[in-house]
Amino acid sequence: DIQMTQSPSTLYASVGDRVTITCRASQSINNWLAWYQQKPGKAPKLLIYKASILQSGVPSRFSGSGSETEFTLTISSLQPGDFSTYYCQQYISYPHTFGQGTKLESK
Amino acid sequence: QVQLVQSGAEVKKPGASVKVSCKTSGYIFSTYGLAWVRQAPGQGLEWLGLVSAYNGDTNYAQKFQDRVTMTTDTSTTTAHMELRSLRSDDTAVYYCARTWVDWPFDNWGQGTMVTVSS
Repeated sequence: DIQMTQSPSTLYASVGDRVTITCRASQSINNWLAWYQQKPGKAPKLLIYKASILQSGVPSRFSGSGSETEFTLTISSLQPGDFSTYYCQQYISYPHTFGQGTKLESK
Repeated sequence: QVQLVQSGAEVKKPGASVKVSCKTSGYIFSTYGLAWVRQAPGQGLEWLGLVSAYNGDTNYAQKFQDRVTMTTDTSTTTAHMELRSLRSDDTAVYYCARTWVDWPFDNWGQGTMVTVSS
């Protein structure tokens, strides 16, 4: 199975900050990577797929980059509603494994 | 619009089985698959497997291979996930999500809480 490792596990930031979350794959996944946002008690929401394509309706302050084994999710200017948990997921091979999550908390 | 609506919460005893349903609407059912993901309390997301709504083909995580069955019913555009021989560590919220080959999970159900307790 492909292992996905996110860092950091918890990130403290303030409204207006630029934040970056990293996701590393244990082997090359080309660009078959998605990012999800999950708020407490809610289902995850797709933000970005194929490493850098913004899902329809997602604000442009979210962006993704990377390829092969290293990927990043960047929020250019943090908004109050962005304090959530973020997960990466590879979908090149089964099982479609997720990272362990990064919780974005208010400083 | 695409909607996935899951069945309600379940409480089961250890050793029992549970069947969760996922009613879909707003798209052509047979052109996608349905994946199942679970989340134990306070934990991350765990992929259980997926089923094709086109031909019923499945792919299960090895960890659940012996205990899970995923099916679809094209007449009602509904997917089902049955998990057998339940243990306390199966207590989790179970989600269905629309997906397919080279496609992420773009729409999710609201989740179904399954509690396993004696």
